[in-house]
Formats: sequence, structure tokens, C-alpha cells
Amino acid sequence: GAVVSQHPSWVICKSGTSVKIECRSLDFQATTMFWYRQFPKQSLMLMATSNEGSKATYEQGVEKDKFLINHASLTLSTLTVTSAHPEDSSFYICSARSGTDMNTEAFFGQGTRLTVV
Amino acid sequence: LAKTTQPISMDSYEGQEVNITCSHNNIATNDYITWYQQFPSQGPRFIIQGYKTKVTNEVASLFIPADRKSSTLSLPRVSLSDTAVYYCLVGEGNQGGKLIFGQGTELSVKP
Repeated sequence: GAVVSQHPSWVICKSGTSVKIECRSLDFQATTMFWYRQFPKQSLMLMATSNEGSKATYEQGVEKDKFLINHASLTLSTLTVTSAHPEDSSFYICSARSGTDMNTEAFFGQGTRLTVV
Repeated sequence: LAKTTQPISMDSYEGQEVNITCSHNNIATNDYITWYQQFPSQGPRFIIQGYKTKVTNEVASLFIPADRKSSTLSLPRVSLSDTAVYYCLVGEGNQGGKLIFGQGTELSVKP
């Protein structure tokens, strides 16, 4: 199957700093990418949807100025957590698909464990 | 938006068949039903997708009744490595195909 790669797999940062997470589709062009956050023992929570070349659409309650999403190419999307605080510590997961139809399979990255100290 | 309801957890033993049922009473005409598997500290992995009746692949079967208000994921002869969280998703076909995850079912397979 298609591969979606996230980098880094884990990161520890100091409170107040910014962290960038990359999501790459390695063997297909990702028209749409999704970013999720997952806290321990909880389900994935959709943060935003991004289409290549356009602004991301954020879910209700997600601060767009804190979680900056860039989808500049069909193979790369980035999530930047700005001025991170301990409560932003979580497991961040990206997903990519080549179309917007639900019968187009979505592929997920391996996730990034963010710890803010 | 279609919402899904699954059992929070299930227990099974190696070699048994496991059936996980998901309710989606508000499924729309153009919505697909997709199941994902997630291991701890990993991204979800696609298992199977269907629209109606029965779909089977090398990993699982998906049973969907005629009214499509529910679906059942069937895992034949589970092993310890099938211990994971299983998510049932109903497609947001009219909203850019975004995937909304419900609570999932935590399956524990015991020896």
C-alpha cells in the first residue's frame, strides 16, 4: 500500500518554543491531508483538513494561529505547534489521500509523540 | 454528520472469530463504511471498506445489512497480534471526505 511518512517520530521541546512536524506522501500525490491529535486512551481528534495550495480548514475549537498548517505541495504538509505548552503534549497523526471521495483510501503516518517540558 | 457507536471493549481468545458491530443510524446515501486498526503509538491502518452487502479481503470480512444502519467487522481466528483498537468510520462524502473517528473498540486477545 501507499506510504505516508511523518517526521520526527518523537520530539521533546521546552515550553514556549515552536515545533514543526512533517508529513510526506512517498508514492502518491496527496490532494488532501488531515491532521489529528490523540491523547492517551482516547480516539483521534481531527484538527484540520488541508488541500494542496489552499488554506487549511480547522475544526471547531482548534486554534489556527497556534497550529499552523502548510500544504505547499502534493507530497508534503507541515504542522507547526507554535509557543508550545505542556498541555500541547500529545500524539499527532497525519493522514493523506489522493482524492476527496470516501472510497479513496486514506493512509496514515506513524505519528509524532510531542512532549513539552 | 453520521455518528458511529461501537462497544468500548471486547475480549477474545486466540483462534476465535471476533465480530465487532458498529451502529450508524444516520448514514447518508453516498457514505461508505470503513474500518481501521490502531496499535499503541502508531497511526491507524486500513482494514476494509464497504458500501453494502458483504466485503471480504485477506484480513477480514465486513457485513452490511440492507438498511446500512449498522455494520459488522469479522476477524477470523484472531491471534495475540490482533490486540488493538478498531475504529468504524462512516464517510463524510459531502464534506471533502474527512474522516471522523468515534471512540473505537479496544479488542484484547488472550492466549
